[in-house]
Amino acid sequence: DVKVTQSSRYLVKRTGEKVFLECVQDMDHENMFWYRQDPGLGLRLIYFSYDVKMKEKGDIPEGYSVSREKKERFSLILESASTNQTSMYLCASSLPGGTGNTIYFGEGSWLTVV
Amino acid sequence: SQQGEEDPQALSIQEGENATMNCSYKTSINNLQWYRQNSGRGLVHLILIRSNEREKHSGRLRVTLDTSKKSSSLLITASRAADTASYFCAPYSGGGADGLTFGKGTHLIIQP
Repeated sequence: DVKVTQSSRYLVKRTGEKVFLECVQDMDHENMFWYRQDPGLGLRLIYFSYDVKMKEKGDIPEGYSVSREKKERFSLILESASTNQTSMYLCASSLPGGTGNTIYFGEGSWLTVV
Repeated sequence: SQQGEEDPQALSIQEGENATMNCSYKTSINNLQWYRQNSGRGLVHLILIRSNEREKHSGRLRVTLDTSKKSSSLLITASRAADTASYFCAPYSGGGADGLTFGKGTHLIIQP
């Protein structure tokens, strides 16, 4: 079974802190994604990566950056956390060939910025 | 990527009844996927239907696709309490690893 693991399930951070959300997948998938999910807004794509060191902006990249130094690991970075970044963050991965393939999600990371 | 729009936004039925939810999209697709999300968890893939397929089954799930109407439906038969979740459709039009786009989903509640 594909496993996408998000290192932190619940985090509480202070405004202005630098925050790292880590994600690891074990199926050698080329594609990895970061989404955020907010009530009433559904899932929104922040960034995706289709290869090591490659990244593309999604729909809402402002305030975020990403890092993919190894194929299995995709990190989401909040350079200076703000309260409007309080949300649930979902990491996902899939095989190449676009997203005509199944996307596998992690369990989510609940981030609260105070 | 395009976003599917699920309807209804919320649905409450009795255990044992069938649940039907719909998805509409705007442009032609290569395939359409359905996902389930239990409260506070990640999304789980349920089923993928390709543009040249009209119907697909998986256990108690039945998905139909009408490309002429740009719509799909997900039927869950003989519902169970464990089916309580949000359900999302994700139409895929091709064009690279640009991420599937998800709407707000249908929140299904199965009453015991």
